[in-house]
Amino acid sequence: GAVVSQHPSWVICKSGTSVKIECRSLDFQATTMFWYRQFPKQSLMLMATSNEGSKATYEQGVEKDKFLINHASLTLSTLTVTSAHPEDSSFYICSARQTYTTRARTDTQYFGPGTRLTVL
Amino acid sequence: AQKVTQAQTEISVVEKEDVTLDCVYETRDTTYYLFWYKQPPSGELVFLIRRNSFDEQNEISGRYSWNFQKSTSSFNFTITASQVVDSAVYFCALSEGTSGTYKYIFGTGTRLKVLA
Repeated sequence: GAVVSQHPSWVICKSGTSVKIECRSLDFQATTMFWYRQFPKQSLMLMATSNEGSKATYEQGVEKDKFLINHASLTLSTLTVTSAHPEDSSFYICSARQTYTTRARTDTQYFGPGTRLTVL
Repeated sequence: AQKVTQAQTEISVVEKEDVTLDCVYETRDTTYYLFWYKQPPSGELVFLIRRNSFDEQNEISGRYSWNFQKSTSSFNFTITASQVVDSAVYFCALSEGTSGTYKYIFGTGTRLKVLA
């Protein structure tokens, strides 16, 4: 259980184009999903928190107009990199936090396999 | 301020050796959660364990064991009889219980190389 998928797994695009990355929780509902960016040999950097049915919360320094996040359902969040430039090339990872119907709190995030974006 | 420190940037061991990965955390919350994830070369983070701040019991799962000590704010991870397949980057993470954001604070990761 607790499987998260990402699509595409890799993408190459020209500078100035927009790229959409999908994150799906396959076997559970996720009220909250997270988008991270990881540069080579570095840790994960949280970009934004995506909440189903509401606006995403962006971390300081992340341009909300450049990285558009939509969390339209309890199993799907999308990240669109608009007008991509070579400096946006990176490994983008999403995670999903399982929603429980009980009052038990859980903070475990399950991660997708990541999307490698290369902007030429 | 919340912080997770993984002081070991890279560790190399020979197969079958035991290895311990250190994780030290800082938080003002009394309720918090600690995690370990494995990131193999494929890139996907694999969940290994979650510990809440009220449960200091150490845990063993096969060749993996975790030592949680609140007195030293540490949550160390030991791999016994390491194998080449254990080669990966391992991340320790902290989630504070009262923030309501469920965000993780990640350590910088420890790259483990297990040599045959």
